[in-house]
Amino acid sequence: GAVVSQHPSWVICKSGTSVKIECRSLDFQATTMFWYRQFPKQSLMLMATSNEGSKATYEQGVEKDKFLINHASLTLSTLTVTSAHPEDSSFYICSAGGRVGSSYEQYFGPGTRLTVT
Amino acid sequence: KQEVTQIPAALSVPEGENLVLNCSFTDSAIYNLQWFRQDPGKGLTSLLLIQSSQREQTSGRLNASLDKSSGRSTLYIAASQPGDSATYLCAVDNDYKLSFGAGTTVTVRA
Repeated sequence: GAVVSQHPSWVICKSGTSVKIECRSLDFQATTMFWYRQFPKQSLMLMATSNEGSKATYEQGVEKDKFLINHASLTLSTLTVTSAHPEDSSFYICSAGGRVGSSYEQYFGPGTRLTVT
Repeated sequence: KQEVTQIPAALSVPEGENLVLNCSFTDSAIYNLQWFRQDPGKGLTSLLLIQSSQREQTSGRLNASLDKSSGRSTLYIAASQPGDSATYLCAVDNDYKLSFGAGTTVTVRA
């Protein structure tokens, strides 16, 4: 399968600051990238879906002005958590999606642990 | 809205025993179902993907079945090993969006 990387793997920031997380699809042209959030002992929840060159589509309850998503190319998407607060502390995982032959597949990044103090 | 449920939430077995993990979903109009493994503090490792037209997939000691009409999938892990200890997540794909279950946390005792 394709390789998806995330940077940084973990980050600690102070309340009120902004943090940018990068998601790169290293060997796969991702027409769509997905951002998920996972709180401790809970499952992954989809936050938003972004298509290359288009505005992201956010799931219900996710603030688009707080979680800024940019998908500038087929291999790079970024998530910026603006004015972070302790309740934003979570594990953020991206995935890259696209056609592989006749099927559609998603490949997941290793995740970014965000801690807001 | 798709709801995915995994039972049991946790499972502890002695080494060598077979594992049976269950996943159910409410909307049967799925493209595929995927089983993942997640180690503590880590990302997801894809184990098996079953297309909606398939009934099962096998990889080594892993076998996953899919009954789309009844909204169920089962992951079997044969002859469990301590290295199989992890959380196992199932996810269903509706319209290219994945909905995840809460996972089954497996502990295999040596």
